[in-house]
Amino acid sequence: GNSVTQMEGPVTLSEEAFLTINCTYTATGYPSLFWYVQYPGEGLQLLLKATKADDKGSNKGFEATYRKETTSFHLEKGSVQVSDSAVYFCALAGSGGGADGLTFGKGTHLIIQP
Amino acid sequence: DAGVIQSPRHEVTEMGQEVTLRCKLISGHNSLFWYRQTMMRGLELLIYFNNNVPIDDSGMPEDRFSAKMPNASFSTLKIQPSEPRDSAVYFCASRPLRGQGSGYTFGSGTRLTVV
Repeated sequence: GNSVTQMEGPVTLSEEAFLTINCTYTATGYPSLFWYVQYPGEGLQLLLKATKADDKGSNKGFEATYRKETTSFHLEKGSVQVSDSAVYFCALAGSGGGADGLTFGKGTHLIIQP
Repeated sequence: DAGVIQSPRHEVTEMGQEVTLRCKLISGHNSLFWYRQTMMRGLELLIYFNNNVPIDDSGMPEDRFSAKMPNASFSTLKIQPSEPRDSAVYFCASRPLRGQGSGYTFGSGTRLTVV
């Protein structure tokens, strides 16, 4: 079956530091990949996505590239801000386009200190 | 669009009581997903519907859990009787049925505490 593995948290960084959150996946066929962000007390919000190999998703300074050869979709940001503190989830939609549900990683809690 | 709307936001109930969680989909979306989030297990898919029809309920933990979608825009998740281990945040999410790689839109969740 499909699975997503992401680095354990919490990850604590200083403001303006470079961020990488690792995500690898196992899936058959050609999945679509997503990063969601969850702020305290809120639901998950779509941050970015990529639907095929070598695609780069980007939003709000965050980027992730769909690497089929390494089955990875690592999230990066060049300079983090305190407002980026949240839980980040890597997710996968199967070859059916996500019609049968997303598979989520366990989430990575990111803490940015001023 | 108001987004996916869940109610109540918080629910505290005693063990053995019936709990009903509600979800209103985004207009035009015709797939509906119920997820449960806990610290131990993360996000788990409980059940999903396409065009009001339940497609896969294999994630529903026990017969105490049931879900319905009486019309195209509304769904309920019921737990009867509730137990303390049901305490979690329950999310519903919707998306268009068609569209490769379409993201899901999540509600703000219902935080359930069973004492």
